[in-house]
Amino acid sequence: EPEVTQTPSHQVTQMGQEVILRCVPISNHLYFYWYRQILGQKVEFLVSFYNNEISEKSEIFDDQFSVERPDGSNFTLKIRSTKLEDSAMYFCATKRGLQYEQYFGPGTRLTVT
Amino acid sequence: AQRVTQPEKLLSVFKGAPVELKCNYSYSGSPELFWYVQYSRQRLQLLLRHISRESIKGFTADLNKGETSFHLKKPFAQEEDSAMYYCALSGHAGGTSYGKLTFGQGTILTVHP
Repeated sequence: EPEVTQTPSHQVTQMGQEVILRCVPISNHLYFYWYRQILGQKVEFLVSFYNNEISEKSEIFDDQFSVERPDGSNFTLKIRSTKLEDSAMYFCATKRGLQYEQYFGPGTRLTVT
Repeated sequence: AQRVTQPEKLLSVFKGAPVELKCNYSYSGSPELFWYVQYSRQRLQLLLRHISRESIKGFTADLNKGETSFHLKKPFAQEEDSAMYYCALSGHAGGTSYGKLTFGQGTILTVHP
């Protein structure tokens, strides 16, 4: 069964550095999402992406964050200048259409030191 | 605004006992409700959604619009049910929602032998 994949599984970076988290969606999926989960807290929506543009974003998704599909397959989340509070597990999710379920990737654990 | 509340962070039962994981929601429109499960070291996966009205692994959940609840139930818990369970809400597909999920805090279910 096809799965959403994410790389890397764990990223350690210094405060102020840029990071790019990568997601490979299931091939016929059209809707893409990023969520994050700070340790001990709930899973929070960051952004949704459809038809090569952001369709919805949360208050967390400020100017430091950006998303793109650079080559039509990978779906990336970039954090321009990481802060300590960006340390979290970041999940990518994708779905075929609005009526379908979201499939989650295994997550990338980001640690900002 | 969308909000999901899972009042129990931890729930312990013995094998064979009934289990109920509580979920209450707040949403002004017509919501879609889901239960996601995360087994140890695995990704989030959909357990069931209210529109399917099906039973998965013996679990059922009924949407009660009057009480704004979507409690997850199983009459006889098994050890393999031990996991983290998340209740999640999405706005009605096809409206202004692009399918973002709002999660509850999660409930860790432990089933003892």
